[in-house]
Amino acid sequence: AAGVIQSPRHLIKEKRETATLKCYPIPRHDTVYWYQQGPGQDPQFLISFYEKMQSDKGSIPDRFSAQQFSDYHSELNMSSLELGDSALYFCASSKRAGGGRYEQYFGPGTRLTVT
Amino acid sequence: QKEVEQDPGPLSVPEGAIVSLNCTYSNSAFQYFMWYRQYSRKGPELLMYTYSSGNKEDGRFTAQVDKSSKYISLFIRDSQPSDSATYLCAMSPSGGYQKVTFGTGTKLQVIP
Repeated sequence: AAGVIQSPRHLIKEKRETATLKCYPIPRHDTVYWYQQGPGQDPQFLISFYEKMQSDKGSIPDRFSAQQFSDYHSELNMSSLELGDSALYFCASSKRAGGGRYEQYFGPGTRLTVT
Repeated sequence: QKEVEQDPGPLSVPEGAIVSLNCTYSNSAFQYFMWYRQYSRKGPELLMYTYSSGNKEDGRFTAQVDKSSKYISLFIRDSQPSDSATYLCAMSPSGGYQKVTFGTGTKLQVIP
């Protein structure tokens, strides 16, 4: 079965640079979520989109922005990178199915290292 | 205090043992309860999903939710070395499309 695709898988940037992470959800999934996982920590929710509109916002720094496109893929843009931004960034997707079902499927993550 | 509390372990058990993993939570709005398995440097993999209170079984895995106690559990029967991973409990309010709040994860090692 098709899974969530993230690119790139690894990214090395210097402080103050900009990074763009991409996420391609599972086909027919309409909701995308972004999470940040620091070393030894649990994933922290950043932001989510449903049908190209922002639906929920977590602890996302103002230096970060994200959007969902018409083909449902999403991009997380990170500017003025700081050393503390080094982490695993996960994208997850889900479909608003009927009956109250809710399942988020995670991608393999993008490992961002800021030097 | 975190909304979701989970013993970080590590938990080390012999192959074939029954493993019990637990989480407590404080937000009574949580309605959806999930368990994810995460191998090192990989994305979380959805193992079990439960809505509201009750039990759910899938092969060697059983998830239990007790909303009155704000306590959830995952049991792994006949544990295998391949079960060695970090197990994250996760939960979300009703609505289906809202953010997931994770526990800190319990690192499990199954020794052959």
